[in-house]
Amino acid sequence: GQSLEQPSEVTAVEGAIVQINCTYQTSGFYGLSWYQQHDGGAPTFLSYNALDGLEETGRFSSFLSRSDSYGYLLLQELQMKDSASYFCALGQAGTALIFGKGTTLSVSS
Amino acid sequence: DGGITQSPKYLFRKEGQNVTLSCEQNLNHDAMYWYRQDPGQGLRLIYYSQIVNDFQKGDIAEGYSVSREKKESFPLTVTSAQKNPTAFYLCASTPAQANYGYTFGSGTRLTVV
Repeated sequence: GQSLEQPSEVTAVEGAIVQINCTYQTSGFYGLSWYQQHDGGAPTFLSYNALDGLEETGRFSSFLSRSDSYGYLLLQELQMKDSASYFCALGQAGTALIFGKGTTLSVSS
Repeated sequence: DGGITQSPKYLFRKEGQNVTLSCEQNLNHDAMYWYRQDPGQGLRLIYYSQIVNDFQKGDIAEGYSVSREKKESFPLTVTSAQKNPTAFYLCASTPAQANYGYTFGSGTRLTVV
């Protein structure tokens, strides 16, 4: 089966840069995606890596190293509204995503 | 606007009663999914369906049932066999064969008393 590990909590201040790591175990190749969930809300898709390397989407970037079974989400120029939970998820076409337990990011002023 | 509608937003039921959670999408997506989320936990997969009239069990399917009679609809029934049904339930959809970019509904918070 597959499993994902990510830190439970991360704290940072406005304007800073924060990196949320995700390590995973899988028997095959899967793409790694990231979702944001504000308290009480629905998860929203942020980024996806099918291949090794960095994907940039505005203030958010995501990185994948398949050889290391490792990825991260990088959030730059942090804002208060970035306070949320962030989930990494492992998936293969034709099946369903498996999610990590999530990282709660708290941004303070 | 296209999206996924889950209803109701809050649901209260007595222990021992079956309850059905609604999930409707107008995105023309082929695949639909049900996840359960408990406080401080990630999303755990209950059931998913890639096409009409076909569905597969996820990691925690015991005590739940689903149907997929229409492409737009994927209702979830929480049966009395589910030992701890109080949770936040999320429905999602994607185009066929997509393993990312899920669109989620706003969720149903079920409380069993």
